[in-house]
Amino acid sequence: DIVMTQSPLSLSVTPGEPASISCRSSQSLLHSSGYNYLDWYLQKPGQSPQLLIYSGSNRASGVPDRFSGSGSGTDFTLKISRVEAEDAGVYYCMQGLQTLYTFGQGTKLEIK
Amino acid sequence: QVQLQESGPGLVKPSQTLSLTCTVSGGSITSGGYHWSWLRQHPGKGLEWIGYIYYSGNTYYNPSLKSRITISIDTSKNQFSLELTSVTAADTAVYYCASGVTPVVYWGPGTLVTVSS
Repeated sequence: DIVMTQSPLSLSVTPGEPASISCRSSQSLLHSSGYNYLDWYLQKPGQSPQLLIYSGSNRASGVPDRFSGSGSGTDFTLKISRVEAEDAGVYYCMQGLQTLYTFGQGTKLEIK
Repeated sequence: QVQLQESGPGLVKPSQTLSLTCTVSGGSITSGGYHWSWLRQHPGKGLEWIGYIYYSGNTYYNPSLKSRITISIDTSKNQFSLELTSVTAADTAVYYCASGVTPVVYWGPGTLVTVSS
């Protein structure tokens, strides 16, 4: 199985400040097609997860442009350029290259 | 926009079978090329894949659960279902149905299933 490791596991950010979450995979997620099979999800308190970023760097429909994804191979980053109160929750990365698809442990974002 | 809703018992006794249904609205379960997925989240924990089914009936199951899982699809009702046999307390979790696999595009709200006598 591909192991996904996120860091940090928690962070506290002041509104308007940037935030960054790292996700590393135990194997490369770069497919021969050129796509990285890495997605990012946000689970707000009491809600189901919602898709933020797919294929490493593509924002899902309706996702604000303050969210961006980057990286390739085994190292990926989710960045929030200016954190807002509504961004609080747990962020998960997920690899979709190899079945069994696997998630990172989650990173809890707290808004100060 | 596709919407999903899980339904089924919230309490299941140990050794019995957990049965959940996901009703899809806002689109046909046979269109769009989606896989229809089940995932779960143990209380206070991360996310775990259970498996998925394509409208043609092809399935993928988590190897750690494979001997106990059946995912089926009913195109006439626009529903897909999960059966998990021989449940234990370790199967207590919020169960989500979803569309897509990578990425998972739409999620149901989730339903808490508690395994307890």
